[in-house]
Amino acid sequence: GENVEQHPSTLSVQEGDSAVIKCTYSDSASNYFPWYKQELGKRPQLIIDIRSNVGEKKDQRIAVTLNKTAKHFSLHITETQPEDSAVYFCAASKSGGYQKVTFGTGTKLQVIP
Amino acid sequence: DADVTQTPRNRITKTGKRIMLECSQTKGHDRMYWYRQDPGLGLRLIYYSFDVKDINKGEISDGYSVSRQAQAKFSLSLESAIPNQTALYFCATSDTNEQFFGPGTRLTVL
Repeated sequence: GENVEQHPSTLSVQEGDSAVIKCTYSDSASNYFPWYKQELGKRPQLIIDIRSNVGEKKDQRIAVTLNKTAKHFSLHITETQPEDSAVYFCAASKSGGYQKVTFGTGTKLQVIP
Repeated sequence: DADVTQTPRNRITKTGKRIMLECSQTKGHDRMYWYRQDPGLGLRLIYYSFDVKDINKGEISDGYSVSRQAQAKFSLSLESAIPNQTALYFCATSDTNEQFFGPGTRLTVL
């Protein structure tokens, strides 16, 4: 089955700096890669996703990149703000049809004001 | 708003007890999932169901069972709870790719 590894497990950045979280996956058939944000005491929520037919996707201060050959994808947050502090999960699945999602182990991001 | 709800939100139980966690959704999604979250281990899939007649084991199904009573309801049972089942449990639904999570149930097994 699919295996998703995520690094780092914790990340501290100064407000205004950039943060990068990296994930690798094992199943070359995976083609959908979402990122979820979980604020303290809350449920995980989708913040951005990317499909294997594109290499990069941006949404305001967040962006995701995908390297299919190397089987890794990354989340980039620019101009970090205190409200970006949360746990971030990457995930991988095969899109369409009835597929299950495999999550990474999470990265706790702390943005220091 | 259409939502995913879980009951109870918190539960403390003793080793050996049977316990049921319930999940309901008003999103009209066919697919439902149960995950457990442990620090440093992320979200691990326990069971999933793609429709009322479909039940599948996830990566950590031992010690758990599920029941899909209707499209909107998916229950997780611990037949004989043990301390290492202490965790935060999430139910989720999906239509195509995005997972919509419930608020979670914090379970403590003493």
